[in-house]
Amino acid sequence: QSVLTQPPSVSGAPGQRVTISCTGSSSNIGAGYDVHWYQQLPGTAPKLLISVNSNRPSGVPDRFSGSKSGTSASLAITGLQAEDEADYYCQSFDSSLRGSLYVFGTGTKVTVL
Amino acid sequence: QITLKESGPTLVKPTQTLTLTCTFSEFSLSTSGVGVGWIRQPPGKALEWLALIYWNDDKRYSPSLKSRLTITKDTSKNQVVLTMTNMDPVDTATYYCAHRGGSGPGRFDYWGQGMLVTVSS
Repeated sequence: QSVLTQPPSVSGAPGQRVTISCTGSSSNIGAGYDVHWYQQLPGTAPKLLISVNSNRPSGVPDRFSGSKSGTSASLAITGLQAEDEADYYCQSFDSSLRGSLYVFGTGTKVTVL
Repeated sequence: QITLKESGPTLVKPTQTLTLTCTFSEFSLSTSGVGVGWIRQPPGKALEWLALIYWNDDKRYSPSLKSRLTITKDTSKNQVVLTMTNMDPVDTATYYCAHRGGSGPGRFDYWGQGMLVTVSS
């Protein structure tokens, strides 16, 4: 049901850089709606990681960064650490003839090798 | 520090109505711009937005579930209540409430711990 598509999984060794894509369409990301990213550690609630495309809330390490272009967005993790192993979700807003709603991505599991 | 906590039944039977309460602190739903939303996550699956209520009592629902959902607020008790009718086993999920922040549609910047609701006879 998710209208934002993410790769199911990405992996990297400690210290490496990984990126997660979030592909939308002209009714959500492409319409100019902001993209936000959440980190969900195993067994816990999601936590806001990146807001308004590229802003880090207080306390979020600067190894996390976000960007948005056209109908897509990306989350990058540089200097990957073991504690970054989690599920990551993008979120935006979708407005079309079908209605308006908050939409989440399909989710990406990050594995630290 | 903003906190939210979900409460309600952990087990409901098919066709029953689910009522969940979100009790929050350190913000008021009478403050302009504030909203509280509900999001669910079936086991092993992605997040799905359900409903949101704003400080001015404006209510928004997921189009696919709109006929089954009702969201209300009690500002004096700092609570938001979500009801979902005609529950089905596919509605088994962890249900989260979250504070909506920012301008425009915004984002969910504070989340409750979530509660697992199982639908089974």
